[in-house]
Amino acid sequence: GENVEQHPSTLSVQEGDSAVIKCTYSDSASNYFPWYKQELGKRPQLIIDIRSNVGEKKDQRIAVTLNKTAKHFSLHITETQPEDSAVYFCASFHSGTYKYIFGTGTRLKVLA
Amino acid sequence: DVKVTQSSRYLVKRTGEKVFLECVQDMDHENMFWYRQDPGLGLRLIYFSYDVKMKEKGDIPEGYSVSREKKERFSLILESASTNQTSMYLCASMGGHEQYFGPGTRLTVT
Repeated sequence: GENVEQHPSTLSVQEGDSAVIKCTYSDSASNYFPWYKQELGKRPQLIIDIRSNVGEKKDQRIAVTLNKTAKHFSLHITETQPEDSAVYFCASFHSGTYKYIFGTGTRLKVLA
Repeated sequence: DVKVTQSSRYLVKRTGEKVFLECVQDMDHENMFWYRQDPGLGLRLIYFSYDVKMKEKGDIPEGYSVSREKKERFSLILESASTNQTSMYLCASMGGHEQYFGPGTRLTVT
């Protein structure tokens, strides 16, 4: 079946450094790629997304890039802060089937 | 703000019991989803519904069923709970392409 691979599973960075999380999807018909952040004990929440007709999107310290040819997309967090510590999930979505497929998550720890 | 609620935060059931998990959303969304979340496995789709009385199997539907009698309510049913169904269950409702999650139900089957 279709899947989304996410790497790394855990990531530790020093405060102020950058963090990059990468995902690869298999369904070439996917047209929407969101990123969700789940803080400890809380529900996942959307932090940024990108559509298949866009190569890059930025929102303050976070950015997402998409390479449709390679079926890769990545989350970039710059100037990391302790409050960025959370589990991050990438996902692919196919608007024709309403199928949402999540990656397995990356636990990011920002060390003060 | 979209509000998605789940009937219980914590639930303990015995093996073989029938278990109902309920999810309610207040934004008139057509699409609703049930996931289970396990460490290292991420969010795995159990079932989703794109309209009242409509349902589609996700990736791991075995041992589960669902019910969508009203647009705002999507129920997950464990017909005969087993210990391998101990997990965190998350419901979501979708507006546009964004998923809005409920707080989750941590189910323990003993």
